[in-house]
Amino acid sequence: NAGVTQTPKFRILKIGQSMTLQCAQDMNHNYMYWYRQDPGMGLKLIYYSVGAGITDKGEVPNGYNVSRSTTEDFPLRLELAAPSQTSVYFCASSAGRDQPQHFGDGTRLSIL
Amino acid sequence: GNSVTQMEGPVTLSEEAFLTINCTYTATGYPSLFWYVQYPGEGLQLLLKATKADDKGSNKGFEATYRKETTSFHLEKGSVQVSDSAVYFCALSENNAGNMLTFGGGTRLMVKP
Repeated sequence: NAGVTQTPKFRILKIGQSMTLQCAQDMNHNYMYWYRQDPGMGLKLIYYSVGAGITDKGEVPNGYNVSRSTTEDFPLRLELAAPSQTSVYFCASSAGRDQPQHFGDGTRLSIL
Repeated sequence: GNSVTQMEGPVTLSEEAFLTINCTYTATGYPSLFWYVQYPGEGLQLLLKATKADDKGSNKGFEATYRKETTSFHLEKGSVQVSDSAVYFCALSENNAGNMLTFGGGTRLMVKP
């Protein structure tokens, strides 16, 4: 089982560039999430979705956008990359309330 | 708001030593509690969970008991192995519509042979 697949695994951006981090899950989960993990810190929620066509902000949404056109995919968009967005980004999915979240392997993003 | 506090690491132990990683939480209601583990270069994996007071979650020799009176969910293992070296995250989910998790800062465990 593939589970949650994130691409790319690594990326270096210049300040002001834009990019989309891809996330796909094959478990037919309704709930999906994007987190960022800064060095030595826990995960902070950026955006989440409880189903196709529904998204909502998490704790740290500024500078990011998301869309959820299908159950499987939940891309994260950075429009104007800033050094403060250098981080490791994790996508996760879950089957519903009180169900565990399943994580991808992460995307390491550096903005110089 | 909700919060999770973990002991700071790194925790360095010899193989077969006893492990305790402390976790306390603040929540307005009755959360579900989780321990996730992150091996180097990988995403987080669910290790164990407990959904109500006095529940004990267990997996792979790890245990944690949901203590409502002390708002704690400490992780324990009787005999650690080198392969247990990882970062451990305590988290809670408080019956919210989005099933959102609040994470602690993580505790790095290093086990020496």
